[in-house]
Amino acid sequence: AQTVTQSQPEMSVQEAETVTLSCTYDTSESDYYLFWYKQPPSRQMILVIRQEAYKQQNATENRFSVNFQKAAKSFSLKISDSQLGDAAMYFCAYTGANSKLTFGKGITLSVRP
Amino acid sequence: GAGVSQSPSNKVTEKGKDVELRCDPISGHTALYWYRQRLGQGLEFLIYFQGNSAPDKSGLPSDRFSAERTGESVSTLTIQRTQQEDSAVYLCASSPKVGSAYSYNEQFFGPGTRLTVL
Repeated sequence: AQTVTQSQPEMSVQEAETVTLSCTYDTSESDYYLFWYKQPPSRQMILVIRQEAYKQQNATENRFSVNFQKAAKSFSLKISDSQLGDAAMYFCAYTGANSKLTFGKGITLSVRP
Repeated sequence: GAGVSQSPSNKVTEKGKDVELRCDPISGHTALYWYRQRLGQGLEFLIYFQGNSAPDKSGLPSDRFSAERTGESVSTLTIQRTQQEDSAVYLCASSPKVGSAYSYNEQFFGPGTRLTVL
């Protein structure tokens, strides 16, 4: 079975600075997808960024980028120029052949003005 | 267009009562998923439906949990004889179709139903 581990329960960042959220996973599959989701207090899960395992190039979406290390099974999210609206819970997630999402426990990110 | 909707937004019930949670997927989405999110935790997969295929029920935690879906429309998640450990947010997601190892179809989430069992 696949597992996703987020070992940091909380992080804080100063507005306009950069923060990196860590995630590791375990799988025996060779083809899969990894995601970072944002969940604000409204509970709505918002897809931030996704990475296909077969792509070597790290995904980037505006201020959000990932560092995907397939051999190390590591998938961290970097948020540049942090904004107050980035404050939320962030979940790392995995999906493979069975199409079900497996989530980590999440990390609460706070942004200091 | 309209996103995934869920009702009720919040539900408080007494231990031992049955509850029904509803999910309206995005029109045209053939795949529908239910997840449970306990306080401070990530989402746990419960069940998914794909068109007219038999649903994947492998995540249902006990036989008190069941779900139905009519065609490619509304789904209901039923919890019988609720227990306090059932208290959680129940999230529904829909997708244009179920992905495969070589493709992925984004899951669009609803706002969830917060269930509190007293």
